[in-house]
Amino acid sequence: NAGVTQTPKFQVLKTGQSMTLQCAQDMNHEYMSWYRQDPGMGLRLIHYSVGAGITDQGEVPNGYNVSRSTTEDFPLRLLSAAPSQTSVYFCASRQPNTEAFFGQGTRLTVV
Amino acid sequence: AQSVTQLGSHVSVSEGALVLLRCNYSSSVPPYLFWYVQYPNQGLQLLLKYTSAATLVKGINGFEAEFKKSETSFHLTKPSAHMSDAAEYFCAVIQGAQKLVFGQGTRLTINP
Repeated sequence: NAGVTQTPKFQVLKTGQSMTLQCAQDMNHEYMSWYRQDPGMGLRLIHYSVGAGITDQGEVPNGYNVSRSTTEDFPLRLLSAAPSQTSVYFCASRQPNTEAFFGQGTRLTVV
Repeated sequence: AQSVTQLGSHVSVSEGALVLLRCNYSSSVPPYLFWYVQYPNQGLQLLLKYTSAATLVKGINGFEAEFKKSETSFHLTKPSAHMSDAAEYFCAVIQGAQKLVFGQGTRLTINP
């Protein structure tokens, strides 16, 4: 039982490049979310999903896309990376009205 | 919509002293509240959760939190700080049944 697995752990992108951050969970959780963590700002919700085929925007969705074709996977796509997207990204999964389980994070630098 | 506010971005205590990290929530209905801890370069780990079963909630590593509806608070405490408690702590609430939202975090420093 691996929990929530994020890949890669580290990534450096050039401005304008695109990439996909992968997230997979093996707990059969309905809900999955992506957060970004920046100093002094806590964790801010980017996008979330309450089930396969259902996604919605969080508080900072611009520049990111998501999809949820299966219960297990919830990839986050950066369409055209910008320096403002330099951050640590966390994926989380949970069941309704319960605590979230987090991946180990992806540290992204955009130069 | 429900939200949480953490008072104090940095808290510093001496080893052996009481730890008190403050969290206030805004909610018109009984909330689901959580405290998480993040050690350097790691993900978030659940410390404890409030789900209306009991107002005093005990968590891991000797931490506990008390839900006070009259004060809309869910402060985290530990009677005696240990060096290993140095970390960042986040309060969180489920918002609108679907979103889990976080406070801005409190960095706890322990002085020897």
